[in-house]
Amino acid sequence: DAKTTQPPSMDCAEGRAANLPCNHSTISGNEYVYWYRQIHSQGPQYIIHGLKNNETNEMASLIITEDRKSSTLILPHATLRDTAVYYCIVRVDNWAGTALIFGKGTTLSVSS
Amino acid sequence: KAGVTQTPRYLIKTRGQQVTLSCSPISGHRSVSWYQQTPGQGLQFLFEYFSETQRNKGNFPGRFSGRQFSNSRSEMNVSTLELGDSALYLCASSAAGRTGARTEAFFGQGTRLTVV
Repeated sequence: DAKTTQPPSMDCAEGRAANLPCNHSTISGNEYVYWYRQIHSQGPQYIIHGLKNNETNEMASLIITEDRKSSTLILPHATLRDTAVYYCIVRVDNWAGTALIFGKGTTLSVSS
Repeated sequence: KAGVTQTPRYLIKTRGQQVTLSCSPISGHRSVSWYQQTPGQGLQFLFEYFSETQRNKGNFPGRFSGRQFSNSRSEMNVSTLELGDSALYLCASSAAGRTGARTEAFFGQGTRLTVV
């Protein structure tokens, strides 16, 4: 699986959009970009994933650049409950199952 | 639909003992993985089981082992416990392998193991 690079920390004001970047310059054509987050002392929570098209769900939007070497997770209206560590993971889908390689992630701090 | 259930939630063991942790995946999920989380090393992949077979293994010593039963429930075992094994152990399950199924991993709340 390709390696990912994320900033160690970011701050965001409550109600504003949080844009979390991720670099994955060695991504292969059959690898997906997944985002998970972990709120303190809880198990990680799936947020969203995509291959090359932008994706949106009830939690967030995922923007993947045309060359697929980087992506951005967007939380449109951050709340205090979005304070967590956010992990960007690249992997082959479907048969990769639950084997995930986590990096250090980005600690997002949302403040009022 | 019940989530991933891990038992026990907290455990205290003495150095040298062994421990068994249990994970019940979401109904219908056949892929189960285990992770170790420590402040120093972060989230590290231990191993993955699919239909009772170990499919992937992380870089951990042989003291760490696991198995999966026919009902997809999984156990992991750590023998000859060391102080450094103190960690949050997380289990995840996924519907991966089912045609058309969503493949994201769902995590349990973890078992907090303290070795004294």
